[in-house]
Amino acid sequence: NAGVTQTPKFRVLKTGQSMTLLCAQDMNHEYMYWYRQDPGMGLRLIHYSVGEGTTAKGEVPDGYNVSRLKKQNFLLGLESAAPSQTSVYFCASSYGVMHEKLFFGSGTQLSVL
Amino acid sequence: GESVGLHLPTLSVQEGDNSIINCAYSNSASDYFIWYKQESGKGPQFIIDIRSNMDKRQGQRVTVLLNKTVKHLSLQIAATQPGDSAVYFCAEKNLIFGKGTKLSVKP
Repeated sequence: NAGVTQTPKFRVLKTGQSMTLLCAQDMNHEYMYWYRQDPGMGLRLIHYSVGEGTTAKGEVPDGYNVSRLKKQNFLLGLESAAPSQTSVYFCASSYGVMHEKLFFGSGTQLSVL
Repeated sequence: GESVGLHLPTLSVQEGDNSIINCAYSNSASDYFIWYKQESGKGPQFIIDIRSNMDKRQGQRVTVLLNKTVKHLSLQIAATQPGDSAVYFCAEKNLIFGKGTKLSVKP
């Protein structure tokens, strides 16, 4: 039982490049989330999904897109990476939305040069 | 806007002592709070949660206290161990996270 798995673990991009971060969970959770973590800022919610085929914006959605084509997967895309998107990205999932504990992945360290 | 903040960015305790980590929130309508632990290089891990209809909740060596009057919650860790060294976050409904308190345990 792997829980929440994120790929890749590390990535370096040049400004303007695009990439997709993949999150997979094997707990049959309905709800999935993408957060970013910056020094001194705490975790901030980018986008989330309450079920297959649905997505919603969080606190800091600009510059990111997401898709939830399958219940177990939640993809985070950067169409044109900017240095301000250098961060650690965490995916999470939960049984319920907003009032349930989150299960987090181990994170993706992204650097945009 | 709404915020959730931790009172101290760092806390150093002796092994075996009790630790208390504090958190304040601004939204009086908040009804669910969670504490997470994050070890270096890892994702956050759930510790304990509490709903607004409770004042106290206990887990294994951890207790969370909620004071709705002053909009404050605390995490108490009993008999702190070296393995408790980590950054601790409070969160309001998984929407707003505090910046974290780094707990260091001295042997």
